[in-house]
Amino acid sequence: EIVLTQSPGTLSLSPGERAILSCRASQSVSSSSLAWYQHKPGQAPSLLIYGASSRATGIPDRFSGSGSGTDFTLTISRLEPEDFAVYYCQQYGYSPWTFGQGTKVEIK
Amino acid sequence: QVQLVQSGAEVKKPGASVRVSCKSSGYTFTSYAIHWVRQAPGQGLEWMAWISPGNGNTKYSQKFQGRVSITRDTSATTTYMELSRLTSEDTAVYFCARVGFGEPMGYWGQGTLVAVSS
Repeated sequence: EIVLTQSPGTLSLSPGERAILSCRASQSVSSSSLAWYQHKPGQAPSLLIYGASSRATGIPDRFSGSGSGTDFTLTISRLEPEDFAVYYCQQYGYSPWTFGQGTKVEIK
Repeated sequence: QVQLVQSGAEVKKPGASVRVSCKSSGYTFTSYAIHWVRQAPGQGLEWMAWISPGNGNTKYSQKFQGRVSITRDTSATTTYMELSRLTSEDTAVYFCARVGFGEPMGYWGQGTLVAVSS
């Protein structure tokens, strides 16, 4: 099973600041099979990024993904109030599909 | 528009089973897999299983093997997740999600809370 480790666990930032979230895999993950989700309390997760760097439909361009192999990054260029949430990376190339433990982006 | 609508919250006693449904609409039901994911209180997302509604093929996480069963009713465009021998550690919100070939989870159900308590 591929273990995904996200860091930091919590990111305390102010609106307008840049957020950089990391996701490290225990073994190489196909770049075409790495996704990022945003999850807010009481809601279903929503897909942000797929294929490591492609934005899902309707996702604003302040969200960007990068990386390959075992190291991936989600960057939010300028935090908007609605961006404060928990973010998960996921690999969907190998069974079992696995998620990282999440990074909470909270208002400082 | 694509919609996944799940059944309502459940309260179960330890040792019991629970069945959660996920009704799909707005797309060709047999063309996309349905995955099940759960989130226990204060925890992250955990992948459980998937089913291919077209042929009924299933794949289960080893953690839940023998306790979980995913089925589908193509005439009702509905997928079912049944979890047996419940314990308090199964208290969680359970989500279904639609997945295309080589794609991540693009559409999600609203989630179903399953609470296990004596």
